[in-house]
Amino acid sequence: GIQVEQSPPDLILQEGANSTLRCNFSDSVNNLQWFHQNPWGQLINLFYIPSGTKQNGRLSATTVATERYSLLYISSSQTTDSGVYFCAVERSYIPTFGRGTSLIVHP
Amino acid sequence: GAGVSQSPSNKVTEKGKDVELRCDPISGHTALYWYRQSLGQGLEFLIYFQGNSAPDKSGLPSDRFSAERTGGSVSTLTIQRTQQEDSAVYLCASSLYRVLDTGELFFGEGSRLTVL
Repeated sequence: GIQVEQSPPDLILQEGANSTLRCNFSDSVNNLQWFHQNPWGQLINLFYIPSGTKQNGRLSATTVATERYSLLYISSSQTTDSGVYFCAVERSYIPTFGRGTSLIVHP
Repeated sequence: GAGVSQSPSNKVTEKGKDVELRCDPISGHTALYWYRQSLGQGLEFLIYFQGNSAPDKSGLPSDRFSAERTGGSVSTLTIQRTQQEDSAVYLCASSLYRVLDTGELFFGEGSRLTVL
């Protein structure tokens, strides 16, 4: 099956810092999503981005499907950004998740 | 409600007992997924339903696990003779199926299962 690798596995930031999270995948995909799992366990949709670039406030994402990677940018991080960020890729109707990037933002 | 609804939110059971977890997808979503997330881990696919097609059960870890979806809507995941390693959060997701891909997934808040 398709392999999904996320990096870095852990990230600690000071409030206000910027960061880039990466998702690499091993095969062509039909779609890609980024999720934020908050400290209460809820998975929140961030981006549905099989290709191209999207922005939503302080967050933006870019997927380069031909090179099999996606990037999630977080600017001016806030403590509420803490949690785990997952990317999920779908090739044959079954989304496969990476192991996530655990982000802690200190005040 | 507008989102994916799961129940119970928490379930504590004794080893060997059977449990049922329920998922009510977003209205109109024909695709439904069950995933499992063990403590500190990623999401493990369990089973996928699409409309009236036969489900994709390729992720079920053993024959103690089964799931059904009635009327193309509500789904129930059943775990028989629970074991301690079944302890996890069970997450349900739904999407508006499209021919070329799954569409955007939306998750419920999960059912946390603890097997003593």
